[in-house]
Amino acid sequence: ETGVTQTPRHLVMGMTNKKSLKCEQHLGHNAMYWYKQSAKKPLELMFVYSLEERVENNSVPSRFSPECPNSSHLFLHLHTLQPEDSALYLCASSQGPRLAGQGDTQYFGPGTRLTVL
Amino acid sequence: GENVEQHPSTLSVQEGDSAVIKCTYSDSASNYFPWYKQELGKRPQLIIDIRSNVGEKKDQRIAVTLNKTAKHFSLHITETQPEDSAVYFCAASSADKLIFGTGTRLQVFP
Repeated sequence: ETGVTQTPRHLVMGMTNKKSLKCEQHLGHNAMYWYKQSAKKPLELMFVYSLEERVENNSVPSRFSPECPNSSHLFLHLHTLQPEDSALYLCASSQGPRLAGQGDTQYFGPGTRLTVL
Repeated sequence: GENVEQHPSTLSVQEGDSAVIKCTYSDSASNYFPWYKQELGKRPQLIIDIRSNVGEKKDQRIAVTLNKTAKHFSLHITETQPEDSAVYFCAASSADKLIFGTGTRLQVFP
């Protein structure tokens, strides 16, 4: 597998469930990102990790909890979500340690389509 | 907060025609402007980017222009083909992150 992979590709969960999204990059990059993509809204940056340290947390509700155990893996732990959290969640990586906003090219994964019932 | 406005939200063109998508940004310190293409059900992919020390950049049928004074940048696609049909996103750097536009759905009719 090459590039950035995400699992699962689709997830349906109830508001009381706990689930995790997984992202893996095979590019040797040092920075990883979580984005939320909702219909008719701009891509929203949620979290950024550079060299396994969290460097950005965009006022995301605490029901979303990121984890970056190493530079190749990124998780998004979900609990007690709301229906408005239904969206496509995209993971991305870039070479690092400089970030996408500093001109580092991002490579996106295919996303996890999340539906909260 | 900083924002990026993108127009139009939808664009339909005949195959072979040109397409232009425009973005306006608010942060005067922005210095990096990528464009992404997202085909239906697929991941966003970088197609071209431009930095603030350059006014125009071309890559085959795709070009991007930047007007820093007006805080505008535009994507130009010439000789459009059906496979250019997708959603295109612009973005501008701001405080080490990218601020994205809302996207333009481009449809190219044969």
